[in-house]
Amino acid sequence: AQSVTQLDSHVSVSEGTPVLLRCNYSSSYSPSLFWYVQHPNKGLQLLLKYTSAATLVKGINGFEAEFKKSETSFHLTKPSAHMSDAAEYFCVVRGPGRRALTFGSGTRLQVQP
Amino acid sequence: EPEVTQTPSHQVTQMGQEVILRCVPISNHLYFYWYRQILGQKVEFLVSFYNNEISEKSEIFDDQFSVERPDGSNFTLKIRSTKLEDSAMYFCASSVAGAQETQYFGPGTRLLVL
Repeated sequence: AQSVTQLDSHVSVSEGTPVLLRCNYSSSYSPSLFWYVQHPNKGLQLLLKYTSAATLVKGINGFEAEFKKSETSFHLTKPSAHMSDAAEYFCVVRGPGRRALTFGSGTRLQVQP
Repeated sequence: EPEVTQTPSHQVTQMGQEVILRCVPISNHLYFYWYRQILGQKVEFLVSFYNNEISEKSEIFDDQFSVERPDGSNFTLKIRSTKLEDSAMYFCASSVAGAQETQYFGPGTRLLVL
């Protein structure tokens, strides 16, 4: 079975400073990994996905994530936070041959002016 | 940009009543999904649906739940006899095809069972 652990339930940064949202995964096989974002009253939007191609994955809005098999991590980063980045972020894993996504518990990102 | 839509956005019902949650997936998508998020808990997979059949379901998706694609555009989740613990945000998602395809989510329906 696969699972993900988001290490921080809340992260607060100042506008213009780097963002780091941490995620560790557990999977018996090579997983597909995703980051989704949810803004208030909106659906879950895909930021980026890793599916065993390049280990550094670039997504929308300047976000990127690096797949590190040795550390079983898939942390999400952005060099410079913007006020509009304030939202809930979910790290998600999908096992091979499966359709079901397994979600982490989410990290709420606050961006201070 | 095409979006998954869901109706209603909020629904309040009495325990024991039947509810139907509706979703309109993106038009050329072939796989459809329901997830739910109980307040304060993780988003959980319920079911996936392809070619008018359930292709995968979780242990949460018991006989109280059913899904249907009644026409060419809607995808529904029915809860036959609601319980207090069914109160949650229900998300619909759809994807084109294939195990690598991205699932696109709707905004959710918040269900409150009293």
